[in-house]
Amino acid sequence: AQSVTQLGSHVSVSEGALVLLRCNYSSSVPPYLFWYVQYPNQGLQLLLKYTTGATLVKGINGFEAEFKKSETSFHLTKPSAHMSDAAEYFCAVSGMSGANSKLTFGKGITLSVRP
Amino acid sequence: DTEVTQTPKHLVMGMTNKKSLKCEQHMGHRAMYWYKQKAKKPPELMFVYSYEKLSINESVPSRFSPECPNSSLLNLHLHALQPEDSALYLCASSQTSGRPSSYNEQFFGPGTRLTVL
Repeated sequence: AQSVTQLGSHVSVSEGALVLLRCNYSSSVPPYLFWYVQYPNQGLQLLLKYTTGATLVKGINGFEAEFKKSETSFHLTKPSAHMSDAAEYFCAVSGMSGANSKLTFGKGITLSVRP
Repeated sequence: DTEVTQTPKHLVMGMTNKKSLKCEQHMGHRAMYWYKQKAKKPPELMFVYSYEKLSINESVPSRFSPECPNSSLLNLHLHALQPEDSALYLCASSQTSGRPSSYNEQFFGPGTRLTVL
């Protein structure tokens, strides 16, 4: 069984400020972890993923995330927010195969960027 | 081609209508998915097809009927829907999860915005 916790529903930052979106997971098998972004009236776009290997993962648009097994966390960061980063962000977890291969999403968090 | 396409983009239908949503991918993926997403909520899995066979049905009402005619196409047939079925319907595809090296990265289409009157 797998689950994802994204605390809070809304994060607001100033343009140029650090973005930190938190994600904690629970998984009975080694997890695969994903961050997806959804812009208004669009589908989901993969920002980055962790499967195996290096725990610091770099994605598109300057985002990165670090897999910390001891903390069961996969927080998303970006050093400097841009207005175009305003969107809904979903953290998701899956296992490798069988019933665990289903993608389980967190409830999502809305990022607002103030000028 | 790393794109999943969905048609139509928008659909308005009455409760007695029959309509279909279409999804297409040409990435050679053998797993395809339908999700339903309400506003400000995460996607909810409805169906999974693996090698053109239905492998997961998340207890979806029978007024939703999926079909996978071939490895590139996925349809969702709609009949006698209710207003609460209004939502964004997302299609996704991935490498089949049956292979040990697969990590189930799902590629999503832009969705069909469905309104049931």
